[in-house]
Amino acid sequence: DAGVIQSPRHEVTEMGQEVTLRCKPISGHDYLFWYRQTMMRGLELLIYFNNNVPIDDSGMPEDRFSAKMPNASFSTLKIQPSEPRDSAVYFCASSMGLAGSTDTQYFGPGTRLTVL
Amino acid sequence: GQNIDQPTEMTATEGAIVQINCTYQTSGFNGLFWYQQHAGEAPTFLSYNVLDGLEEKGRFSSFLSRSKGYSYLLLKELQMKDSASYLCAVRDGDAGKSTFGDGTTLTVKP
Repeated sequence: DAGVIQSPRHEVTEMGQEVTLRCKPISGHDYLFWYRQTMMRGLELLIYFNNNVPIDDSGMPEDRFSAKMPNASFSTLKIQPSEPRDSAVYFCASSMGLAGSTDTQYFGPGTRLTVL
Repeated sequence: GQNIDQPTEMTATEGAIVQINCTYQTSGFNGLFWYQQHAGEAPTFLSYNVLDGLEEKGRFSSFLSRSKGYSYLLLKELQMKDSASYLCAVRDGDAGKSTFGDGTTLTVKP
């Protein structure tokens, strides 16, 4: 398996623009997670899905952020409008199941977002 | 909620042994994970503990004491490539949700 795939790997945009990050989880994994990592705040969970359904979005910072998972092999994280404080590395991760070591999360390579 | 504490930085010598501690306070507990993250890369899974005791996996071992809210990652025979950030993550009662500590940056010197 190719692992979790994210695109783009790098994104530089200007404040106010819309940004869309994409993720393809590992086939057969029922859970998908979106994280944001910064030096100041570390690795933060934004939202996660189970079988394409959003379960917990309490980590989404504000209404400018939205995430969708239209099918088992694709998810997007959208920021509209973007702000400089959104600059971070955004990771997508997936895991197989609910209990034990099957909850091991496999991370994608991340998208490094810079908002000018 | 979760509160996870790890030392910010550690330094050790190639060939030595290092122990990275993690303490946590949780409203529920359903497993503890250790991840390794090299600079500029994604976190990768190292170990998982849900019961008290030691889990050994090659040069890496992880220990858990649920009553003390304490875990450690033990790295033996350190190599230069072990220089990385080590993240402790605790899964709460909600099986899908893990909270990550800020990570411990380990520098291995010759």
